Amino acid sequence: GAGVSQTPSNKVTEKGKYVELRCDPISGHTALYWYRQSLGQGPEFLIYFQGTGAADDSGLPNDRFFAVRPEGSVSTLKIQRTERGDSAVYLCASSRAEGSNSPLHFGNGTRLTVT
Amino acid sequence: AQTVTQSQPEMSVQEAETVTLSCTYDTSESDYYLFWYKQPPSRQMILVIRQEAYKQQNATENRFSVNFQKAAKSFSLKISDSQLGDAAMYFCAYRTPLRDDKIIFGKGTRLHILP
Repeated sequence: GAGVSQTPSNKVTEKGKYVELRCDPISGHTALYWYRQSLGQGPEFLIYFQGTGAADDSGLPNDRFFAVRPEGSVSTLKIQRTERGDSAVYLCASSRAEGSNSPLHFGNGTRLTVT
Repeated sequence: AQTVTQSQPEMSVQEAETVTLSCTYDTSESDYYLFWYKQPPSRQMILVIRQEAYKQQNATENRFSVNFQKAAKSFSLKISDSQLGDAAMYFCAYRTPLRDDKIIFGKGTRLHILP
């Protein structure tokens, strides 16, 4: 595809449930990033992948959050035992290479609402 | 740790006028990259302009230009001939080369264009 694709665009779930958010990056982009954006705030870093491996997961708030990228392309962000405080827009971005002036290309995000 | 500060939560400008959005950052690195992203209500983050720290010349992209003051750690965005389509949230972002590739975003400035 031409851009970064995120599915679903909206997800409503009940407190305590498990959710998976999917990101399909631009073909050939080796670096993939997950951010969380709360209302009125800037994107907050969660994790980034270089290829298949998580190069930095220091932004994941706790062990309920986990992300994978098994084949170095599509990534899934997984949230266990969701809490109301997890409600936010989850943004995915990809980049040609890490640590460069290559810009991040963002998807439209997944708005997660935990009721 | 690097930080990015946008001190103007909201700004307004008359259509066709010029507006400047402020951004300051804190880092001990000498080499890095700076970006301005635009986020309209559609949620998609769009790259507006980028600057390499080693370049003294300020970046320009059509109506958008930056005033990069490395010693002052300041990176402001100037929008000339403001148009209604410029209304959006604007985020300043900082990126280090290679290692520790957590692109850090400011909290954003909401720009209103007055017709």
